[in-house]
Amino acid sequence: EVQLVESGGGFVQPGGSLRLSCAASGFTFSNYWMHWVRQVPGKGLVWVSRIYTDGSRTSYADSVEGRFTISRDNAKNTLYLQMNSLRAEDTAVYYCARGHSVGYGSDYWGQGTLVTVSS
Amino acid sequence: QSALTQPPSVSGSPGQSVTISCTGTSSDVGGYDRVSWYQQPPGTAPKLMIYDVSNRPSGVPHRFSGSKSGNTASLTISGLQAEDEADYYCSSHTSTNTYVFGTGTKVTVL
Repeated sequence: EVQLVESGGGFVQPGGSLRLSCAASGFTFSNYWMHWVRQVPGKGLVWVSRIYTDGSRTSYADSVEGRFTISRDNAKNTLYLQMNSLRAEDTAVYYCARGHSVGYGSDYWGQGTLVTVSS
Repeated sequence: QSALTQPPSVSGSPGQSVTISCTGTSSDVGGYDRVSWYQQPPGTAPKLMIYDVSNRPSGVPHRFSGSKSGNTASLTISGLQAEDEADYYCSSHTSTNTYVFGTGTKVTVL
């Protein structure tokens, strides 16, 4: 069974840092693109970042470019999101999601981890 | 990276069909056959319903179908059922090698 479990969310002050993790199981992690998507409670989904299977290629939304870094450790089956210079508008539930094996879309999602940026 | 435009809400009675539109530009929806649709009931993670405009993952009922014309993609739910009540989001790959989601549509079963 495919499982994605996020962790690392919490409360942080503006300007602070946080690292999210996403532990993957039930599939060959190194074969799949992975994404981070966020959602302010009660609002819409917002794509954040994507990483290629071996980590060699990444892309980011303009709103997080230069502040967030996506990475992965295929030996540990874990995806990461390092978030620096956090702002109040980064407050959201952060989901990790697996890229579909043959097309464009994310076919498995974690349950999300809440990040709250506030003074 | 402006969000794709969806209607805030659509509704229908059980058994009816509803269609949700998703309008973008030639740099996203219109430029690629890389549109996906997600269903999100309250308090749950999104679920992939359609990928690459019109393909259904295994396990998704045949009453869900997708299409695209120009810069607008559409999701149609035929034979609406009570369990289909949820928020729906479209998403597209873009010319800058990023992704963008739609504004979301709440589907209500009357």
